[in-house]
Amino acid sequence: DTGVSQNPRHKITKRGQNVTFRCDPISEHNRLYWYRQTLGQGPEFLTYFQNEAQLEKSRLLSDRFSAERPKGSFSTLEIQRTEQGDSAMYLCASSLDGGGTEAFFGQGTRLTVV
Amino acid sequence: GDSVTQMEGPVTLSEEAFLTINCTYTATGYPSLFWYVQYPGEGLQLLLKATKADDKGSNKGFEATYRKETTSFHLEKGSVQVSDSAVYFCALSDGGSGSRLTFGEGTQLTVNP
Repeated sequence: DTGVSQNPRHKITKRGQNVTFRCDPISEHNRLYWYRQTLGQGPEFLTYFQNEAQLEKSRLLSDRFSAERPKGSFSTLEIQRTEQGDSAMYLCASSLDGGGTEAFFGQGTRLTVV
Repeated sequence: GDSVTQMEGPVTLSEEAFLTINCTYTATGYPSLFWYVQYPGEGLQLLLKATKADDKGSNKGFEATYRKETTSFHLEKGSVQVSDSAVYFCALSDGGSGSRLTFGEGTQLTVNP
């Protein structure tokens, strides 16, 4: 296991198109998080899963965004009808249960909406 | 809500200089505190953490002490190297909401030889 894997690493899309990103967490990790990072800012929480259940969604996650984690393994984040403001780095992280445990991050998917 | 404030950057130092990056937080309860580092072209990596007041986290010569009375978690290193050039993020987890992280805005550190 080489850590959290995200695909694709880069995505350029035209405004109005749908895009989907994939995250493969560390295999034994039951928690999976999605964050968004814009240039010069820290990551902002979007949503998290405990196993296959999506337990929280940020207000940043508009109804154009949807995330799934079927079978509690990999996760997908879909953005429908992309807008230029969606351009950002989308980060996935995974961790084990328990407060204070380390979250391991993937290298992210950089989305550019033109 | 929870928030983290980092000192404004970027920070440029000469090799072997002393580093301090300030971080203060606002949270209810007793959060865990973290410093993450992002090297060029790489993902975020945990640098160090502290889970309760007065704990000191340390790793790779970096240190930070959880100060509840000043709600701070400043990052320090006695002698920086060129290889320390990266973006440093202070973060907290309040233990609720699945232990999601709230990040500061990040501080870009450049170390010149």
